[in-house]
Amino acid sequence: GDSVTQMEGPVTLSEEAFLTINCTYTATGYPSLFWYVQYPGEGLQLLLKATKADDKGSNKGFEATYRKETTSFHLEKGSVQVSDSAVYFCALGASGGSYIPTFGRGTSLIVHP
Amino acid sequence: EAQVTQNPRYLITVTGKKLTVTCSQNMNHEYMSWYRQDPGLGLRQIYYSMNVEVTDKGDVPEGYKVSRKEKRNFPLILESPSPNQTSLYFCASRAAGNNQPQHFGDGTRLSIL
Repeated sequence: GDSVTQMEGPVTLSEEAFLTINCTYTATGYPSLFWYVQYPGEGLQLLLKATKADDKGSNKGFEATYRKETTSFHLEKGSVQVSDSAVYFCALGASGGSYIPTFGRGTSLIVHP
Repeated sequence: EAQVTQNPRYLITVTGKKLTVTCSQNMNHEYMSWYRQDPGLGLRQIYYSMNVEVTDKGDVPEGYKVSRKEKRNFPLILESPSPNQTSLYFCASRAAGNNQPQHFGDGTRLSIL
């Protein structure tokens, strides 16, 4: 079945550092790819998405590019802020005959002043 | 405002006492899901629904029931809760179409003593 592998956390950075959170996937179909963010005490919310190969999703300074050849969708941000501290989830949209999205286990990001 | 609303947000109860967690969405979405989130395990899907009166099991359905009598509502029922169901629960909805993102509620923290 489909699966998502995210780098283990927590990732700890100083403010203004460069962020990369790795995400790789296996999929039988051709799914859309998503990053969600979960701030403390809240539900997940969509951060960005890409629907086809070489698409770049971007939002709030975060970016991720759909790399079909390497089956990856790494999340990057050039300069993190304390307010970016959260848990980040990579996810595959439903594809093929499945109606169910697939989530990674999440990566906790802690940004220190 | 487009939203998914869960109630209650917090509940402490005892083993065996039936409880229902309500979920309502105002976006006319076809798909709705319930997840539980546990440390180290990420998000695990409990049940999902593709439309009114159409539901199916997710990865961890044991001990839970759902119903979808109206499009906007998708309650989660624990007929005889047990301590291993202590968790953080999220309801989510999405529109039809595999490139559509999930919209999550703010979560319900259940403690079963």
